[in-house]
Amino acid sequence: KAGVTQTPRYLIKTRGQQVTLSCSPISGHRSVSWYQQTPGQGLQFLFEYFSETQRNKGNFPGRFSGRQFSNSRSEMNVSTLELGDSALYLCASSDRLGGSSYNEQFFGPGTRLTVL
Amino acid sequence: SQQGEEDPQALSIQEGENATMNCSYKTSINNLQWYRQNSGRGLVHLILIRSNEREKHSGRLRVTLDTSKKSSSLLITASRAADTASYFCATAPGGFGNEKLTFGTGTRLTIIP
Repeated sequence: KAGVTQTPRYLIKTRGQQVTLSCSPISGHRSVSWYQQTPGQGLQFLFEYFSETQRNKGNFPGRFSGRQFSNSRSEMNVSTLELGDSALYLCASSDRLGGSSYNEQFFGPGTRLTVL
Repeated sequence: SQQGEEDPQALSIQEGENATMNCSYKTSINNLQWYRQNSGRGLVHLILIRSNEREKHSGRLRVTLDTSKKSSSLLITASRAADTASYFCATAPGGFGNEKLTFGTGTRLTIIP
């Protein structure tokens, strides 16, 4: 199976702009989670989608939003970009078979966003 | 916010030696997972240990979990240059419908050839 893919891999934007990042999960995985990684704050959970519904949300402002499509692909959007939004954005997918509560996640390579 | 801390923050050892990293967390968990990250790339899942398990092995990896102390350790035996990476522990609250992982601060491991 192909792994999790994220596009684009690198992105440069200026303050005030908006950006959309895309994530394609492993085939058959219905859960997609997004994380932000920065040197100062480390890895932080943004949100998780399952069957097109947001199930969990981290402590990020409303400028950060996402959605999931019927094919499980997900997008996240950041509006009104700030310098502090510069980060590596990681997407992860997981597959919950039989209601298992063990949530190993498979990560994509990430999108490196630079805000100037 | 970070669930916990990892110790040490950085570790350099000679190739062939063993590397031990520790992770502490704050709240009750369903399971704890270890991930590896190479140079700002995506994370690779290494091993998962459930809250009712005390030790688990996978190849050259050995993980222990002490829920009474809210701590875990990752041992990499016979280290190789390719093990150079950052290692993160992540805790999971468990329960269907909660995929959120809370990551530690990470240990930067450097293997000296």
